Amino acid sequence: EVQLLQSGGGLVQPGGSLRLSCAASGFTFGSYYLSWVRQAPGKGLEWVSAISGNGDTTYYADSVKGRFTISRDNSKNTLYLQMNSLRAEDTATYYCAKRLYGEGGPFEYWGQGTPVTVSS
Amino acid sequence: EVVMTQSPATLSMSPGERATLSCRASQSVKSNLAWYQQKRGQAPSLVIYAASTRATGIPARFSGSGSGTEFTLTISSLQSEDFGVYFCQQYNNWPLTFGGGTKVEIK
Repeated sequence: EVQLLQSGGGLVQPGGSLRLSCAASGFTFGSYYLSWVRQAPGKGLEWVSAISGNGDTTYYADSVKGRFTISRDNSKNTLYLQMNSLRAEDTATYYCAKRLYGEGGPFEYWGQGTPVTVSS
Repeated sequence: EVVMTQSPATLSMSPGERATLSCRASQSVKSNLAWYQQKRGQAPSLVIYAASTRATGIPARFSGSGSGTEFTLTISSLQSEDFGVYFCQQYNNWPLTFGGGTKVEIK
């Protein structure tokens, strides 16, 4: 059974940093692109970032480029999102997600979500 | 960036009725289109992918159609568990993009 277990959210001041983690099990971790998707309170879904199976290729939404860094540790089956220079508009529930196919397809599995609140 | 536009924003339906949700892409995404259902307080779950393929465990009352820029999700006879918000998403181009969602609520 595929599981994506998230941790690391919380309250942070504007300009601060936070690191999210997503521990995966139930599939060949290093064979799949993984992504972070966020959802502001009462709003829709916004894709944030993606990383290839070996970690060599990354993609970012313009809204987070230069501030967020996605990474993975295939020895620990864990995905990360380092968030720096946080702004109020980054307040959202963040989900990690696994795609159906190794390098593409829809998001087949999602983590449980972790809330991030940026406020003074 | 491919802009995904969903309509209507809200659909007020009664159980047993047929629901039709629309999704339009600002440029062709071929058949690389997915639909997700999200219930309050939960993560989204995959319903349809490749525009018309039901995800594992999704009942046959859900069907998807379309290609290129125009897509439709149809729920043939709404059940109580089908109410929630539905999002379309294109995965043909980076950045991956979602529509704004259609809320299917009980009339």
